[in-house]
Amino acid sequence: SQELEQSPQSLIVQEGKNLTINCTSSKTLYGLYWYKQKYGEGLIFLMMLQKGGEEKSHEKITAKLDEKKQQSSLHITASQPSHAGIYLCGYTGANSKLTFGKGITLSVRP
Amino acid sequence: EPEVTQTPSHQVTQMGQEVILRCVPISNHLYFYWYRQILGQKVEFLVSFYNNEISEKSEIFDDQFSVERPDGSNFTLKIRSTKLEDSAMYFCASSDRGVEQFFGPGTRLTVL
Repeated sequence: SQELEQSPQSLIVQEGKNLTINCTSSKTLYGLYWYKQKYGEGLIFLMMLQKGGEEKSHEKITAKLDEKKQQSSLHITASQPSHAGIYLCGYTGANSKLTFGKGITLSVRP
Repeated sequence: EPEVTQTPSHQVTQMGQEVILRCVPISNHLYFYWYRQILGQKVEFLVSFYNNEISEKSEIFDDQFSVERPDGSNFTLKIRSTKLEDSAMYFCASSDRGVEQFFGPGTRLTVL
């Protein structure tokens, strides 16, 4: 079965700093999703990537999918406390079932 | 902005009791899903639903679970006889094309 590994497991950054988190798949990805979850709350859709080399940005968050479609990175520029939360990557299979990684907990110190 | 809503936000029940978790998906969406997250663990897929039938279900979704779209707006998850291990956060999601899925805030189910 296909597994997603997210790294690092957790991250603490100072407000204003840039950061990058990663998601690596054991097999080729056909659809890679990034979601954000605040503790005890629902998942907020951030971005979806499908093509090798694709890059998308929303506000200060940029996500990339590598050419081989096995690794994705999420980069946050000038982090703010509002960026704190758990970042989940996921992939879809048949019937659009989403399978998630364990998530990366991001804390931003003011 | 349209959003997925779920009720109740927290449900406490006794082991063996039936519970129904309710969801109102985004109005023009056609694909519906239930996921769950046991505390400290991954978000896990339970079931997908399209065109009034189950498209796919996971191993977790056994005979104790059922889903229904009783009218044009609600989407429900029923657990017939709850077990302690059913305690989790249950998330409903919906999608218009089966691509981006939009999640509700979740229902925290506690089985005592």
